[in-house]
Amino acid sequence: QKEVEQNSGPLSVPEGAIASLNCTYSDRGSQSFFWYRQYSGKSPELIMSIYSNGDKEDGRFTAQLNKASQYVSLLIRDSQPSDSATYLCAVRNTGGFKTIFGAGTRLFVKA
Amino acid sequence: DTAVSQTPKYLVTQMGNDKSIKCEQNLGHDTMYWYKQDSKKFLKIMFSYNNKELIINETVPNRFSPKSPDKAHLNLHINSLELGDSAVYFCASSPGSLNTEAFFGQGTRLTVV
Repeated sequence: QKEVEQNSGPLSVPEGAIASLNCTYSDRGSQSFFWYRQYSGKSPELIMSIYSNGDKEDGRFTAQLNKASQYVSLLIRDSQPSDSATYLCAVRNTGGFKTIFGAGTRLFVKA
Repeated sequence: DTAVSQTPKYLVTQMGNDKSIKCEQNLGHDTMYWYKQDSKKFLKIMFSYNNKELIINETVPNRFSPKSPDKAHLNLHINSLELGDSAVYFCASSPGSLNTEAFFGQGTRLTVV
């Protein structure tokens, strides 16, 4: 089992729709969870961080965490073509010095 | 005033050569990392340093030798380069505590021919 798993996609949604990205992780002791966005040829940049169960909203983005199910998700509302990128789920391990990334989900938002 | 800077941005070299990539962060962070992103875009941690001390070595071949002269710098030296080393290498830093994200440099695209 991979430590952090994501559907590689591609996920294609029309402009204005909600894009839903999912991630599961194997280390039950993990405490910190992150979503990064990576445009082609660029470095990853942080979109959201979440540390406790439930939802966390920031503008058009909502991160959801369920530690019992070891599941993290990212919702992007009112998707825009500029949201087209690869979204990386990342989990900080129990010891705290290693952030493990999933393989990423490619998102295409069609105008 | 780039937060995490890597040099060079591109590196093309022949098999068997030795090369280095430099990384510097001006964020005052305690922890620095090297990640490798392969052609399938999978971002895999290689090393983690905290206050100049090696914390994590993810079973990377010993041809790869990181060096941290101070907590603001983490360089990566690669000996006897192989075709499979071709990838984008990212340096990153974080404050070091659990609830903080990593900040990435712009990456170094290494091509071994």
